[in-house]
Amino acid sequence: KNEVEQSPQNLTAQEGEFITINCSYSVGISALHWLQQHPGGGIVSLFMLSSGKKKHGRLIATINIQEKHSSLHITASHPRDSAVYICARGTGSEKLVFGKGTKLTVNP
Amino acid sequence: EPEVTQTPSHQVTQMGQEVILRCVPISNHLYFYWYRQILGQKVEFLVSFYNNEISEKSEIFDDQFSVERPDGSNFTLKIRSTKLEDSAMYFCASSEEGVTEAFFGQGTRLTVV
Repeated sequence: KNEVEQSPQNLTAQEGEFITINCSYSVGISALHWLQQHPGGGIVSLFMLSSGKKKHGRLIATINIQEKHSSLHITASHPRDSAVYICARGTGSEKLVFGKGTKLTVNP
Repeated sequence: EPEVTQTPSHQVTQMGQEVILRCVPISNHLYFYWYRQILGQKVEFLVSFYNNEISEKSEIFDDQFSVERPDGSNFTLKIRSTKLEDSAMYFCASSEEGVTEAFFGQGTRLTVV
């Protein structure tokens, strides 16, 4: 099945905490994408990775191809990080297959 | 920074009416996509478009749907006869190549009444 599974579904944290969101997939991928969906609905691409690790500011994404698993980490979380974080796999064709998302709430 | 622009941001239409959702992709991008997200559900692929033709479409993209690139800048999604279940957020996206990072528009919220 071409599913992308994310955990947890919902995550509440206190400002400053280290956040980890997990993503697993069942088939081979061309790349793994992490995206952020704001409360208004807009989607922003955060990372596209096919191996190793990428870092942008307080965000870090890692992938283990053998285990078909990726993680998104947020260091020193802030209330403005509150959003839905979505993992999506590239299929080798152009389309993306999306996970259901993880709703993150960071309280001050 | 270049961005994908979608209009309108919100459209309300009566069941059975035709709607056209509009998108202006990033200018040097070659691949264009439509996705939709029904409220509370995950984002689903509808169609991809390259070189002036559909390159892939999902089961959702039936004969009621069509896409067009009428000029060098716009990319449209037409729904011929809207149904209540077409109510969703529709996202346009574009990418330089098929397997590179996709950039998404802010979405059009379509409400069919």
